[in-house]
Amino acid sequence: AQKVTQAQTEISVVEKEDVTLDCVYETRDTTYYLFWYKQPPSGELVFLIRRNSFDEQNEISGRYSWNFQKSTSSFNFTITASQVVDSAVYFCALSEAQQGAQKLVFGQGTRLTINP
Amino acid sequence: NAGVTQTPKFRVLKTGQSMTLLCAQDMNHEYMYWYRQDPGMGLRLIHYSVGEGTTAKGEVPDGYNVSRLKKQNFLLGLESAAPSQTSVYFCASRMGVVSNQPQHFGDGTRLSIL
Repeated sequence: AQKVTQAQTEISVVEKEDVTLDCVYETRDTTYYLFWYKQPPSGELVFLIRRNSFDEQNEISGRYSWNFQKSTSSFNFTITASQVVDSAVYFCALSEAQQGAQKLVFGQGTRLTINP
Repeated sequence: NAGVTQTPKFRVLKTGQSMTLLCAQDMNHEYMYWYRQDPGMGLRLIHYSVGEGTTAKGEVPDGYNVSRLKKQNFLLGLESAAPSQTSVYFCASRMGVVSNQPQHFGDGTRLSIL
């Protein structure tokens, strides 16, 4: 069975600090996809990034970066120079790749609060 | 750009009542999904559809039924609501051409069962 663990339930930092959100996953599939979604206080879910299991390149998008390490089954998310607008709940999710249905398995989420 | 629209946004029901949640997407997506979000548990998949006229069970399907009579609509029904079904419900859709395309989510429906 697939499982995603986000051990950090809540994180609180001061603006401009760097913060890393951890995501550890379990799967028996050899090919799979990993995702990060953001849920701001308004409640909607916003797609941030997708990573294929066969692509271990790290990715940077502005202040956001993602570190995918297949050897440790982790897909961590770092926000550099955090801003108050980054305050949200962040979800890591996993899906199998073979069957095509993309049935997402979500972690419990990490509530990030950026204090001014 | 409407994207994924959920109706209603809020609803309060009494135990035993029935209701239907509507999800409509205007992106011509093949795949549609219903999730529920409970505190401390993330989102869990209830049912999904890989195309018009098809539905399949997800992780937590008990107590729910779904229908996909039209490609753009995916309905979630509660035949006899129970307090355990109090939750925030999210609908999502995605293109079916490539399986790694991200899902696009609606704004959610907050449902309370008294």
